[in-house]
Parts: sequence; structure tokens; C-alpha cells
Amino acid sequence: DADVTQTPRNRITKTGKRIMLECSQTKGHDRMYWYRQDPGLGLRLIYYSFDVKDINKGEISDGYSVSRQAQAKFSLSLESAIPNQTALYFCATSERKTGPGELFFGEGSRLTVL
Amino acid sequence: EDQVTQSPEALRLQEGESSSLNCSYTVSGLRGLFWYRQDPGKGPEFLFTLYSAGEEKEKERLKATLTKKESFLHITAPKPEDSATYLCAVQVGNTPLVFGKGTRLSVIA
Repeated sequence: DADVTQTPRNRITKTGKRIMLECSQTKGHDRMYWYRQDPGLGLRLIYYSFDVKDINKGEISDGYSVSRQAQAKFSLSLESAIPNQTALYFCATSERKTGPGELFFGEGSRLTVL
Repeated sequence: EDQVTQSPEALRLQEGESSSLNCSYTVSGLRGLFWYRQDPGKGPEFLFTLYSAGEEKEKERLKATLTKKESFLHITAPKPEDSATYLCAVQVGNTPLVFGKGTRLSVIA
């Protein structure tokens, strides 16, 4: 089983719908992240959490929200999806002692908004 | 604004043809520079961390080096299985990584 699991792996939805992407990890890491990847734009940070009570906005947080339900779970929500949120979304984790540098990524969630 | 630029965007090599990928950065207070490999349809996988100018790290056919303004990922005698996108990222202070756009490497047998 993967150490960082993302669900769903693929999702097609319509404009205006609410979508939740879920991430769970078995690595025991404190820190969790949501990145978005677009062709030609690379990986961009949406939100991150250094522990259960800590939530921080990243570079492109507008239109997204997150919830850190437990040390092992970090969910990303799109309250009202729009077509330019079509992208590949990655969850990642890191250990406190190594800082935010050595990241462990999930397999990705491909979201298409029609 | 902090910036990470990778070049070339894409590189096509014959098997055994050595080359280098470049990552230039303009940040204040670099804490570390990281290289990742990403296969199609997969999440990025950590390769190396470099902390100071002059440092080098090696893994199989890959060697990463760091200067005060850039990092190189040298690929020696590449094989088709080295084909992937290679991502560079920088860390400033305790903030999350900022990634470059990557170099897509294709190694042809």
C-alpha cells in the first residue's frame, strides 16, 4: 500500500459543483501539503499544514479550502469548481526534523471541471 | 520575488550520451536545493538535497552539484529508464519548497 494515498485518483465534474480531494498518510509525518500541477506551470503550492492545528495559505489558495482532520488526513475542497481548476493535484508529506524539503508525494488526483 | 528556472525544457539524448540539466535560482537565504524525478502519471520522487555551494551528491548515473546561483544535474551514460521529468526546488527558511517547471528528459535506445 502507498504511504501517501489520494482519493479519488480521477474525477470529472461540472462547473459550480463542490469537490473534495482526500489525502491520508501512514508515514507518521507532521507536515502535509497540497500542490497543483499544470502543463508549463510546474508544481504550485495551494495550502500547507505543519501540524493538526496549523493551516497556511500557499501561492494559489483562492478558490480552495482545506481541513486537517487528524495528523494523517488532509483534505482539499473546491467550494464551487470552475474550469481553470482542471489540473493534477498532489498531496505531499514531510517530517518535522527534515523540514519541508524532502517531500513524499501521493500518486495524484486528476480533476477535470467541465 | 524568489524564482527557480530550469533549462532546457526538454532534452532528448541517445543512450550513453552524457549531458547536464540546469537549475538557476534567485532567492535570499537559500536553506537547501532539492532535485526530484517524476515519471508520467506519478508523483515526484526525491533524489537529492544540496545545502551549500561546492556540495555534490551522486546516485547511480546522476550527480548533482551546487554553486551560489545554480545547480546542475549531470547524467552520465544515460539509459532509457532514466527518461522522466526532473524537477528542481528551493527552500528558503522554513517555508515550503518552490519548484521550477522541470526538464523533460527522453533517452532513446
